[in-house]
Amino acid sequence: GAVVSQHPSWVICKSGTSVKIECRSLDFQATTMFWYRQFPKQSLMLMATSNEGSKATYEQGVEKDKFLINHASLTLSTLTVTSAHPEDSSFYICSAPGGVEQFFGPGTRLTVL
Amino acid sequence: SQQGEEDPQALSIQEGENATMNCSYKTSINNLQWYRQNSGRGLVHLILIRSNEREKHSGRLRVTLDTSKKSSSLLITASRAADTASYFCATAPNNAGNMLTFGGGTRLMVKP
Repeated sequence: GAVVSQHPSWVICKSGTSVKIECRSLDFQATTMFWYRQFPKQSLMLMATSNEGSKATYEQGVEKDKFLINHASLTLSTLTVTSAHPEDSSFYICSAPGGVEQFFGPGTRLTVL
Repeated sequence: SQQGEEDPQALSIQEGENATMNCSYKTSINNLQWYRQNSGRGLVHLILIRSNEREKHSGRLRVTLDTSKKSSSLLITASRAADTASYFCATAPNNAGNMLTFGGGTRLMVKP
């Protein structure tokens, strides 16, 4: 099946810094990508829909100024966590649709100290 | 936002036994999908069942869908220790494009 990669796979940063996470569709184009956040032992919560060439659509309760999304090309979406705080520590997962099926990246573990 | 709930939240069985997980959802859907997640890893797509289907099989997996009750079940037969993982149902609501909404998940432990 199609492959979606994420980089980095894990990152540790200091409180107040910004962290950028990349999501790439390796062998297909994706005009839409989705960003999820998953806290330990919980389910995936959709944060936003990334749209190539236009603004992202954020779910209720997700701060668009804190979680900046840029869908720069048909194979790349980035999520930047700005001014990260310990409560932003989580597992961030992206996905891209390929027909009816969704293809998920391996996730990025963010730890904010 | 989460579409619905899964039960049980956690399930522990012996190798060789069958495992059944249930998922309920709230809105009309195009399809329902089941995913598996090993601890700290990404999601692996297991099976998709469309809204006009009632049952689907894939290897040791059997999925049912009851749209009148807005519920689905995943049965894993003859479980193996390697089946230990979290299992999530995800629904594709009507008119929501490709967006998926996930259930709370069932943590399955298969003891050797």
